[in-house]
Amino acid sequence: AQSVTQPDIHITVSEGASLELRCNYSYGATPYLFWYVQSPGQGLQLLLKYFSGDTLVQGIKGFEAEFKRSQSSFNLRKPSVHWSDAAEYFCAVGNTDKLIFGTGTRLQVFP
Amino acid sequence: DTGVSQDPRHKITKRGQNVTFRCDPISEHNRLYWYRQTLGQGPEFLTYFQNEAQLEKSRLLSDRFSAERPKGSFSTLEIQRTEQGDSAMYLCASSWGVTPHTDTQYFGPGTRLTVL
Repeated sequence: AQSVTQPDIHITVSEGASLELRCNYSYGATPYLFWYVQSPGQGLQLLLKYFSGDTLVQGIKGFEAEFKRSQSSFNLRKPSVHWSDAAEYFCAVGNTDKLIFGTGTRLQVFP
Repeated sequence: DTGVSQDPRHKITKRGQNVTFRCDPISEHNRLYWYRQTLGQGPEFLTYFQNEAQLEKSRLLSDRFSAERPKGSFSTLEIQRTEQGDSAMYLCASSWGVTPHTDTQYFGPGTRLTVL
């Protein structure tokens, strides 16, 4: 069955530090992968998506993600975190007519 | 583009009551999705419309749940005889494209339901 695993429930980083959020997927065919961010009281906002082609994908707010088929991973990275990046981050895989989400990683940023 | 809107944003109800939520998608989006999100979990798919046709329903959508999308515009999600386990955030999303699993889904702010 298709699934998405986000191994880190909660991550804390200092402002200005680099960030990597992990995502592993299980999907039989070519995966279509997404990262969304959810701030308190806000809906989910798409950060970036991967369908095919270049395995390094650039998104909004300075985020990027790298698709590694051999590791079934789609990790999200940012070189320098800002306090406004504190939020919940969800990785998802597109499955025919729906998205399958991971359980999310809560990012806390210390000044 | 005003985004996906949902109404109400919060709903508190007593067990056994019926509730109805509304979602207005981005205009001209042909697909509309409902998801449910419980605390500490990612959103889980409930159902999906292409225009006015409801094409798939999750096993999570018991017979107490019904969704409609008349005329392919706004959608309503009704829960009858609410139970405490129905307490969750109900998210609506819409998209436009050829293949659903590659479309970008745009999410609304959600309706938080609390069943007492």
